Amino acid sequence: SYELTQPLSVSVALGQTASITCGGNNFGRKNVHWYQQKPGQAPVLVIFRDGNRPSGIPERFSGSNSGNTATLTISRAQAGDEADYYCQVWDGSSGIFGGGTKLTVL
Amino acid sequence: QVQLVQSGAEVKKPGASVKVSCKASEYTFTSYYLHWVRQAPGQGLEWMGVINPRGGNTIYAQKFQDRLTVTRDTSTTTLYMEMSSLRYEDTAVYYCAGVMSDAFDLWGQGTMVTVSS
Repeated sequence: SYELTQPLSVSVALGQTASITCGGNNFGRKNVHWYQQKPGQAPVLVIFRDGNRPSGIPERFSGSNSGNTATLTISRAQAGDEADYYCQVWDGSSGIFGGGTKLTVL
Repeated sequence: QVQLVQSGAEVKKPGASVKVSCKASEYTFTSYYLHWVRQAPGQGLEWMGVINPRGGNTIYAQKFQDRLTVTRDTSTTTLYMEMSSLRYEDTAVYYCAGVMSDAFDLWGQGTMVTVSS
């Protein structure tokens, strides 16, 4: 079955740029989506189809997908960005999630 | 406001079944595929299955094939998830989620299911 690999944790200084990676095979053929989840809350879509932002998501959030790695980039990190982030792709009709990355804003 | 509103928390004994509902509002119910995703305490997101609300066709993750039933009622715009033969490891928050832009755009608030003797 298809698997996605994310780092367990990433730290970023307040105001700096955070990058969270997501690895998988033949990524170039798949659209990657990213979700933010804060404690006790449902996930929120922050990036869809590699690099598109839903309405209401700040421009500080961006995404890219190249080769076997997709990257979520958060510029000018704020305290409110501290959360778990999950990447996701489709394997046929089945949803596949990465294990999640905890972002800490220092 | 487009939303998915789920039923309340459940506590079940091992071996029992649970049925969770998810009511959709303010959009055409049959327009978007609806999924169930669960999250065990302190763990990541796990996709469970999907239903096409228009025809009722379903696809389940292999690990849930024999215990999971996803249905919908188009007259009440409500989605259901029923899991049988519950085990302690089924303790989790269960989310319904809608796919509109090729991703999970819309999420319910989650339903905590606790399996405890």
